[in-house]
Amino acid sequence: NAGVTQTPKFRILKIGQSMTLQCTQDMNHNYMYWYRQDPGMGLKLIYYSVGAGITDKGEVPNGYNVSRSTTEDFPLRLELAAPSQTSVYFCASNLYRGLNEQFFGPGTRLTVL
Amino acid sequence: KNEVEQSPQNLTAQEGEFITINCSYSVGISALHWLQQHPGGGIVSLFMLSSGKKKHGRLIATINIQEKHSSLHITASHPRDSAVYICAVPYSGGGADGLTFGKGTHLIIQP
Repeated sequence: NAGVTQTPKFRILKIGQSMTLQCTQDMNHNYMYWYRQDPGMGLKLIYYSVGAGITDKGEVPNGYNVSRSTTEDFPLRLELAAPSQTSVYFCASNLYRGLNEQFFGPGTRLTVL
Repeated sequence: KNEVEQSPQNLTAQEGEFITINCSYSVGISALHWLQQHPGGGIVSLFMLSSGKKKHGRLIATINIQEKHSSLHITASHPRDSAVYICAVPYSGGGADGLTFGKGTHLIIQP
C-alpha cells in the first residue's frame, strides 16, 4: 500500500492564481482531512469528509474548496491564491472517525507571492 | 472546540536522558493522539490512547482522563529521537471532524 499520497510536493503561486492540491489514499478509509501547518502553530483543520459525496468545513475553510467524488481522492482547491495561504498542507485519513490512527501524506509546501 | 496545550515548547537534552513531554486539553475526549514530525516534515502516529498507559519500545504514553492530561516519555533518549512531538485530540464530539493539535514540542537530543 502506498498509504496517503499528495501532489505536488512544492509549488509557488502568484497572487490570484488557482490550483488544486491532490490527495489519494489506497486504504479504503472513509474519513479524510485537510490540514494546514504554519510556522510555530499547530496544524489546523481546513475541511474534512466522512465519505464519498460528503464534505464539511473545519476551523479555517475560507479561501478553499473540496470535493469527494470517490473514496480514494480528496482534492483541495485554492481559487484565488493569497499570501496568507502560504503554508504546508497535509492530507490525512483514518478508518473510523478520530478513534483510530490517522495516516498523513507527506505534505505540500505552497508559497504564494 | 477543544484546546490543547503542550509543554515544554523546546527541549534539549543529552543522549541517555529520560524525556517527558506534557499535554493538557480542555474538553473531555474519547482518545488522544501522540504524533512525531520528522525534520524532513513527515508526520507519523506514535500512539492513540483513551485510558491508562501504552508502551512501544522506548516510548511510553500515559493519560489521566479526569485531569485531562497526558504525558509522553522517552527512555534512554538517542539523537535519532530528535523531532517535533505533537499531541492531538478530537476537534469536537465524536471526532469525525478531525483533530485539533498542540503547537508541538521541539526535542533535540545531543550525543
